[in-house]
Amino acid sequence: DAKTTQPPSMDCAEGRAANLPCNHSTISGNEYVYWYRQIHSQGPQYIIHGLKNNETNEMASLIITEDRKSSTLILPHATLRDTAVYYCIVRGAGGTSYGKLTFGQGTILTVHP
Amino acid sequence: GAGVSQSPRYKVAKRGQDVALRCDPISGHVSLFWYQQALGQGPEFLTYFQNEAQLDKSGLPSDRFFAERPEGSVSTLKIQRTQQEDSAVYLCASSRTGFSEKLFFGSGTQLSVL
Repeated sequence: DAKTTQPPSMDCAEGRAANLPCNHSTISGNEYVYWYRQIHSQGPQYIIHGLKNNETNEMASLIITEDRKSSTLILPHATLRDTAVYYCIVRGAGGTSYGKLTFGQGTILTVHP
Repeated sequence: GAGVSQSPRYKVAKRGQDVALRCDPISGHVSLFWYQQALGQGPEFLTYFQNEAQLDKSGLPSDRFFAERPEGSVSTLKIQRTQQEDSAVYLCASSRTGFSEKLFFGSGTQLSVL
């Protein structure tokens, strides 16, 4: 699986958009980008995933660059409850692939009032 | 139940004691995973079940760690002769199919070995 690089921490004001970057320059053609987050004292929570097209769901948007070497998770209107560690994970899919995820250190997002 | 349930929520063990951690996955989920999370680190994969079959145990740190899922639903992670370095949060996750990276995690069991 491709290695990912994320900033260790970021701050965001409540109500503003939070844009969390992830670098995955060694990603290969059949690897997906997944985002999870972990709120204090809870297990990780799936947010979104994508292959090459931008994706949006009720939680967030995922923007993947055309060369697929980086991506940005966007929380459009951050709230205090979005304060968490955000993990960007690259993983192949299909065949014998399953949820053996490599989490890394993630980005600590702190949302301020 | 509505989500993945783990028990106990907290466990304190004396060094050398055996412990058993329980996981109740979401009903009908085929796949079940155990992860270990040390303080300040991301979760690390331990083992994977598809129904009752343990297909991958490559992440188990030693032969003191043993996991089972005998009827393809509830799973137990057992640690024998616990050591201080076993102190961590043990997370269980399940997924609906055998080929999904969309995992649903429990809140974990925090194990402290004194």
